[in-house]
Amino acid sequence: NAGVTQTPKFRILKIGQSMTLQCTQDMNHNYMYWYRQDPGMGLKLIYYSVGAGITDKGEVPNGYNVSRSTTEDFPLRLELAAPSQTSVYFCASSNSNYGYTFGSGTRLTVV
Amino acid sequence: QQQVKQSPQSLIVQKGGIPIINCAYENTAFDYFPWYQQFPGKGPALLIAIRPDVSEKKEGRFTISFNKSAKQFSLHIMDSQPGDSATYFCAASERRRESSGSRLTFGEGTQLTVNP
Repeated sequence: NAGVTQTPKFRILKIGQSMTLQCTQDMNHNYMYWYRQDPGMGLKLIYYSVGAGITDKGEVPNGYNVSRSTTEDFPLRLELAAPSQTSVYFCASSNSNYGYTFGSGTRLTVV
Repeated sequence: QQQVKQSPQSLIVQKGGIPIINCAYENTAFDYFPWYQQFPGKGPALLIAIRPDVSEKKEGRFTISFNKSAKQFSLHIMDSQPGDSATYFCAASERRRESSGSRLTFGEGTQLTVNP
C-alpha cells in the first residue's frame, strides 16, 4: 500500500500565482487533513474533511480552499500565492483509531 | 484557542542518555495524547500514544509519562541512539465526534540530536 501520497514534492511559485497540492490515500480512511509546518511552530491545521463532500476550516484556513469529491482525494488549492504561504504542507488521513498517517510533504516557496 | 506547549525546542544528548521532552495542555477535554517522530524530508510518523486513564505507557525504549492533575505529559527515550535523532512532536485531541474527526493539536516540536 502506498499510504498517503502527496504531489508535487517541491514547488516555487511567484506571488499571485495559483496551484493545487494533490493528496491521495489508499487506506479507505474517512478523515483527511491538511497541515502546514513552519520552523518552530509545529503543525497548524488548515482544513479537514470527515468524508466525501464534507469539509471544514481548521486553525489557519485563510488563502486556501479544499474539496473532497471522493474518499481517496483531498486537494488543497492556493488561489493567490503570498510569501506568507511559504511552508511545508502535509496531508494526513485517519480512521476511527485516531492515529494519523502523514504524506511526505510538499515544500512550497513563494517568491 | 486550544494549545499544547512543548519544551525544550532543541535537545542534545550523548548516546545512551535519556532525553526527556515535556508537553503541557490546557483543554481538559483532551483524551488522546500521541507523540510523533519526524526525520528530515519525511512526514511525521506515530511513535506512541496514551489516554488519560493511565499514568505511563512503554513501547520498547520509548515511554510516555502522564500527569492528569498537572495537565502535563512527557516522552522519555531510554538508551538513546544516534538513529533517534529527529524532531519529536507531542499532540492532543478531544474525544472523537463523527462531525469533526479527531483533530490533533500539535506542540511546537523538539529537535533531538543524539551524538555518538
